[in-house]
Amino acid sequence: GDSVTQMEGPVTLSEEAFLTINCTYTATGYPSLFWYVQYPGEGLQLLLKATKADDKGSNKGFEATYRKETTSFHLEKGSVQVSDSAVYFCALSLPKGGNQFYFGTGTSLTVIP
Amino acid sequence: SQTIHQWPATLVQPVGSPLSLECTVEGTSNPNLYWYRQAAGRGLQLLFYSVGIGQISSEVPQNLSASRPQDRQFILSSKKLLLSDSGFYLCAWSLDTDTQYFGPGTRLTVL
Repeated sequence: GDSVTQMEGPVTLSEEAFLTINCTYTATGYPSLFWYVQYPGEGLQLLLKATKADDKGSNKGFEATYRKETTSFHLEKGSVQVSDSAVYFCALSLPKGGNQFYFGTGTSLTVIP
Repeated sequence: SQTIHQWPATLVQPVGSPLSLECTVEGTSNPNLYWYRQAAGRGLQLLFYSVGIGQISSEVPQNLSASRPQDRQFILSSKKLLLSDSGFYLCAWSLDTDTQYFGPGTRLTVL
């Protein structure tokens, strides 16, 4: 079935380190792919998205490229900040039955000064 | 612009008591609406979604129910809460195949 698998956490990095959070998906059809971020005690916020193969989503220094050949959408940032500490969710959307979304289990990131 | 509201923000309820959480969306028409639950330290669990007034699909059997009495209003209810109903409840909306936008959430603690 349709699903998203993302890297288990928690991830702890020093400030200015390089970040990669892996995400792979299984889907019938042509999904849109998303990264959401959740800060403590808050709802999810859209971080970036890509709607077709080879698209690159980017926002706030984060990037992810829709790779159809490897069914992946890895999140990267060149230099993380303390303020990036949050939980990151990978998700896919399929146009069926009311726009079905499938979320990964989330990856907790802590950035230490 | 569109906004989504949830209330209450936090709620502490005894086991066996009823529940009503409300979600409203402003600035759009005929959105798809969703209820998710997030247990502590866990991922998102889709509970219900709705593609229109009175149209509710349930994803997980439980003692919760949902209703959509108006186009932009989505209500999550329970007649008798269980301890396992504790969690962070998130409402979201989307249009067609576009992005889901989330509300601020309701923290429910059942004692």
